[in-house]
Order: sequence, then structure tokens, then C-alpha cells
Amino acid sequence: AQSVAQPEDQVNVAEGNPLTVKCTYSVSGNPYLFWYVQYPNRGLQFLLKYITGDNLVKGSYGFEAEFNKSQTSFHLKKPSALVSDSALYFCAVRRDHTGGFKTIFGAGTRLFVKA
Amino acid sequence: DVKVTQSSRYLVKRTGEKVFLECVQDMDHENMFWYRQDPGLGLRLIYFSYDVKMKEKGDIPEGYSVSREKKERFSLILESASTNQTSMYLCASSPGLALDNEQFFGPGTRLTVL
Repeated sequence: AQSVAQPEDQVNVAEGNPLTVKCTYSVSGNPYLFWYVQYPNRGLQFLLKYITGDNLVKGSYGFEAEFNKSQTSFHLKKPSALVSDSALYFCAVRRDHTGGFKTIFGAGTRLFVKA
Repeated sequence: DVKVTQSSRYLVKRTGEKVFLECVQDMDHENMFWYRQDPGLGLRLIYFSYDVKMKEKGDIPEGYSVSREKKERFSLILESASTNQTSMYLCASSPGLALDNEQFFGPGTRLTVL
């Protein structure tokens, strides 16, 4: 069965420092991996995705994520955090065509960036 | 920009009431989804639809039904609301059959069942 784990409920980082939000997944077949962000009182917004190819994926707002097949991880990163990055981040996985359209979301990680 | 709208941002209902949550998307997307979001549990799929009048159960369909009579509209129905259905409900849509397409989300409806 597909699953996604976000091991940290909360991540705290100082503005200007690099940030990492962790995600590991379990899926049979080829994974399609996504990161979404939810700002307060708003719906989820797509940040980036990994389908195939280069393991380092770049997305919106300066975020990037690294796909590591051997560690089954897809960590979200940003070189220099901003206070405005404070939000709830969700990792998601979708299996290849045999899994249909179902996407499995992690529990979410709340990022706090302090000025 | 794709726009997904939900009929209410906040809703308060009583136990046993029939509740309708409406979702409309304006980008002619084939696929539409209903999730509920609960702290510590992330998003859980209730139902999805990949075409008009088509529906598929998600991971937690019990107590819910859906309707998709028009391509742009996907309704979630709570036949008899219960307190354990108090939650944030998110609607989403995505285009086509390609599995690498991201989903576009509405702002959510926070439902409280008293």
C-alpha cells in the first residue's frame, strides 16, 4: 500500500537560514511525488513535483526538493528561509497508472520561520 | 489561473441534518476530488470523479455521497451529519488522465456539526 511519512510535526528555523522539511514514502512501482503548501485560511497550493529525470526538482518561491530512490525520500529544501514561508507543508505520493488517480498525503509539517 | 470555489467558508449544522457542500471549477478539468483535513491526519480522500456522472470511493467514503451532474460542479453530501464529521473539507480538481498533473484546491469549508 502507498504511504507517506512526514516525521516532524513542526520545524523551526531562523530567517535567512536554510530549511529542510522531510518526507519519506512507500509505494510499489514508480512514484509521482508532490509538495503542497497551505497558508493560513487558504487551500493548498502546488509547489513542485518529481516525475522522472533529474533528482533535484525546482519549484515555486525558491523551493526545491531532492528525490532519493535508495532512501525513498523527497525532502523539501530552501537555501534561505523567509518569514513568509511560515505555513503548513504537505508531501504527497501517487503511484503509476496501476494506482489510478488516488494521491496519498502526509500528515503535514508546520514550518515556523522566526525573524 | 485555475479557480476552484467552494460554496461556504464556514458552516454550522446540527446532528442529523442533510448537508450539501458545493464545489465549482472553471478550467474544464476532468477530475474532481473531495478531501477532509484533520490535524495530524493530513488530507484523506473521500470521493473523486473523473467524468460527469462518474464517481469512485476514496479512503473514507462512509457517511458521504457525491454528485457530478455537470463537469464543472462536484457536490459532497452528508446524508445525516454527525459530530465526527466536523472537519475542514477541501475540494480539488486536476486536468486529464496524466498522473503527473498537480491538483488545484479550493479555499476549504470548515464544517462544524453540533
